[in-house]
Amino acid sequence: DQQVKQNSPSLSVQEGRISILNCDYTNSMFDYFLWYKKYPAEGPTFLISISSIKDKNEDGRFTVFLNKSAKHLSLHIVPSQPGDSAVYFCAASRNNFNKFYFGSGTKLNVKP
Amino acid sequence: GAVVSQHPSWVICKSGTSVKIECRSLDFQATTMFWYRQFPKQSLMLMATSNEGSKATYEQGVEKDKFLINHASLTLSTLTVTSAHPEDSSFYICSAISPVRRGYTFGSGTRLTVV
Repeated sequence: DQQVKQNSPSLSVQEGRISILNCDYTNSMFDYFLWYKKYPAEGPTFLISISSIKDKNEDGRFTVFLNKSAKHLSLHIVPSQPGDSAVYFCAASRNNFNKFYFGSGTKLNVKP
Repeated sequence: GAVVSQHPSWVICKSGTSVKIECRSLDFQATTMFWYRQFPKQSLMLMATSNEGSKATYEQGVEKDKFLINHASLTLSTLTVTSAHPEDSSFYICSAISPVRRGYTFGSGTRLTVV
């Protein structure tokens, strides 16, 4: 049973436009969420996080929104750049930050 | 800070042989490390939690005798794929709890190809 889901396996966006990546979760006990970016043949790198006490966190071009009632979070990238092309994973944890559950990833392609 | 180094970055081995992958925390101590496996176009699958000085905790469906984990020090965990078969070919990634932020710091991954 996958507790964190990314239903869009891929997304293609024009450079300069907004990229919106979505993530849904089923466990209402999750209280901490992260987004990771991954290039082929490399380990994931941390992008941005959000705690359940917030509904928005912003870091430069990246903003994560959390809708607890809908059990949904999204990552907005504005403006999108070709270098943003990668696979993006969302991850969730509850209380114990030792274990994170990952979504299946969304491959973002930003076209020049 | 909070760098995790993984070695080797890629390895090719023959069926039936064993391969060891190392995961080191370079600038911090990691009492807990995690081993993931990623199949092409799929998510990161947690294989096991490596605990310093004690036995690893394996996820359901992961063969303990096939994927041997040793966490002998606070900065090193190793994953040994024993009697490797072509279906073990995959991308293996380790991670550790980051002392800098809540979350993981990941290694760069190891591409294993069994021929």
